[in-house]
Amino acid sequence: EVQLVESGGGLVQPGRSLRLSCEASGFSFDSYAMHWVRQVPGKGLEWVSGITWNSGVTDYAGSVRGRFTISRDNARKSLYLQMNSLRLEDTAFYYCAVRGTYYSFDYWGQGTLVTVSS
Amino acid sequence: EMVLTQSPGTLSLSPGESATLSCRASQSVISNYLAWYQQRPGHAPRLLIYGASNRASGIPDRFSGTGSGTDFTLTISRLEPEDFAVYYCQHHGGSPSFSFGQGTKLEIK
Repeated sequence: EVQLVESGGGLVQPGRSLRLSCEASGFSFDSYAMHWVRQVPGKGLEWVSGITWNSGVTDYAGSVRGRFTISRDNARKSLYLQMNSLRLEDTAFYYCAVRGTYYSFDYWGQGTLVTVSS
Repeated sequence: EMVLTQSPGTLSLSPGESATLSCRASQSVISNYLAWYQQRPGHAPRLLIYGASNRASGIPDRFSGTGSGTDFTLTISRLEPEDFAVYYCQHHGGSPSFSFGQGTKLEIK
């Protein structure tokens, strides 16, 4: 069974940093691209960032480019999102997701809530 | 910039009825890269349809996806109580790399 467990969310002040983690199990983590998708409570979904299986290519939404960094450790079966210079509008649930062959998000974690507030 | 527009915003139906949800893209999309998700309150999204018309593993055949070009449809037949949720379409390609529609809320009438 595929499991994705996010952690690292919490309350942080504007301008500060936070690092999210996603621990994977139940599939060949090192064979799949991984992504982060966020959702403001009560609102829609927004793609944030993605990374290929070998970390060769990373991609970011314009709203986070230059502030967020995605990375992975295949040996630890873990995905990370380093979030710097956080803004109020970064407040959201952050989900990690497995990208499938057809560029869909085939499996999702339960999400971790990041609240940016002074 | 790719924009996916879903309609209607809210759809009110009764169990047993059929639902038709629309997703329109601002420019022609690659059908293989069009997906649909279901999100129940308090839960993460769940993949329903990938490649515009392929059901994901474990998804009942009451769910079907069609479309090409700029117009895509998710049809849910014989609505069950657990089908009342929010549905999102999603596409890969262009800028940004991945786009989601704003969602359609399917509610019980």
